[in-house]
Amino acid sequence: AQKVTQAQTEISVVEKEDVTLDCVYETRDTTYYLFWYKQPPSGELVFLIRRNSFDEQNEISGRYSWNFQKSTSSFNFTITASQVVDSAVYFCALSEDRGSTLGRLYFGRGTQLTVWP
Amino acid sequence: DADVTQTPRNRITKTGKRIMLECSQTKGHDRMYWYRQDPGLGLRLIYYSFDVKDINKGEISDGYSVSRQAQAKFSLSLESAIPNQTALYFCATSVGQGREDTQYFGPGTRLTVL
Repeated sequence: AQKVTQAQTEISVVEKEDVTLDCVYETRDTTYYLFWYKQPPSGELVFLIRRNSFDEQNEISGRYSWNFQKSTSSFNFTITASQVVDSAVYFCALSEDRGSTLGRLYFGRGTQLTVWP
Repeated sequence: DADVTQTPRNRITKTGKRIMLECSQTKGHDRMYWYRQDPGLGLRLIYYSFDVKDINKGEISDGYSVSRQAQAKFSLSLESAIPNQTALYFCATSVGQGREDTQYFGPGTRLTVL
């Protein structure tokens, strides 16, 4: 079973719209880490955020915000007032705090976001 | 200069050829990883190394081998390339301190096997 599910394969919005990218994860560990990465059309992977399982505070960074809810095993990512430059594939990932697999990242399949002018 | 570099950035080769992809980092990180990305599948772990003497298989290691020549260098080899190894390959590094262990990725190598 997939540890990280990004059910939205593709999303299209018009500039200035708000958009939320969903991420649902599965783990039996009590300590784990969640990540979001951005892959723009140029292809590189850019780290956006890491959230530790013991810190359920939501985070805001400019137009980006993240909603972490352990009760629903979700770590959703919202872009407010989207811009064309936000067009990219966004990946959610999970890392578990186990000795044998510590540090391994499990990626979702990604969500392609297209922002139209 | 980039912290994590990969060479080559693009490579086209033929079935049966041996190919080496190289990764170098200046971040001083102990941990290094190789992933491949296929359209619609996300990234999957091929091999990872927690230090120079520690190399581990990931979820899709068949057909690949690695070498950790130094803390800063981690190479991925395809001994006999086949077309379904056509993919985008990423190297990543992390500091390896448990809770602070964020992986940072290189720019990727696009490999095409004809």
